[in-house]
Amino acid sequence: DIQLTQSPSFLSASVGDRVTITCRASKDISTYLAWYQQTAGKAPKLLIFAASTLYRGVPSRFSGSGSGTEFTLTINSLQPEDFATYSCQQLDSFPVTFGGGTKVEIK
Amino acid sequence: QVQLVESGGGVVRPGGSLRLSCVASGFTFSDFGMHWVRQAPGKGLEWLAFIWYDGSKIYYLDSVKGRFTISRDISKNTLYLQMNNLRVDDMGLYYCARSWGGASVGMEYWGQGTLVTVSS
Repeated sequence: DIQLTQSPSFLSASVGDRVTITCRASKDISTYLAWYQQTAGKAPKLLIFAASTLYRGVPSRFSGSGSGTEFTLTINSLQPEDFATYSCQQLDSFPVTFGGGTKVEIK
Repeated sequence: QVQLVESGGGVVRPGGSLRLSCVASGFTFSDFGMHWVRQAPGKGLEWLAFIWYDGSKIYYLDSVKGRFTISRDISKNTLYLQMNNLRVDDMGLYYCARSWGGASVGMEYWGQGTLVTVSS
């Protein structure tokens, strides 16, 4: 199975900050990686697919990059509605796996 | 608009069974693969199973293989997850999700989840 290691697992930031979350895969997954945002009590929402393509309706302050085994999610100018948990997901092969999540909290 | 509505969760004893349902609307159900994903309390997301748009391919997480069965009824626009021999570590919020791009792009739409509690 492909393991995804996200870091950090928790980060504290202020409105307007730029934050970067890393996701490392245990083997090459090309760009078969998606990012999700989840707020408390809600279902996850797709943010980015194919490692770097923004899903429709997602603000342009979100961006993704990477290929192979190393990926990043960047949020430029953090907004109040961005405080949430972010998870990466690999879809290169079954079983589909998720990273452990990164909780972004208000400093 | 696309809607996925799960039901069937509840409280069950270890070793018991439950059947979860996910009713789809707002899209052509037979055109899309579907996933089940769960989330234990305070934990991350865990993928469980996937069924191809026509039911021709099915995949499971090893820890649920042989205990859980994913299926779909196109006539009812409904996805199912039959869960047998439930364990305490199966507890959590169970989501159905519509796949995009076969199975390799992402999970585009999610339901609100149905809660499964396994307790003696």
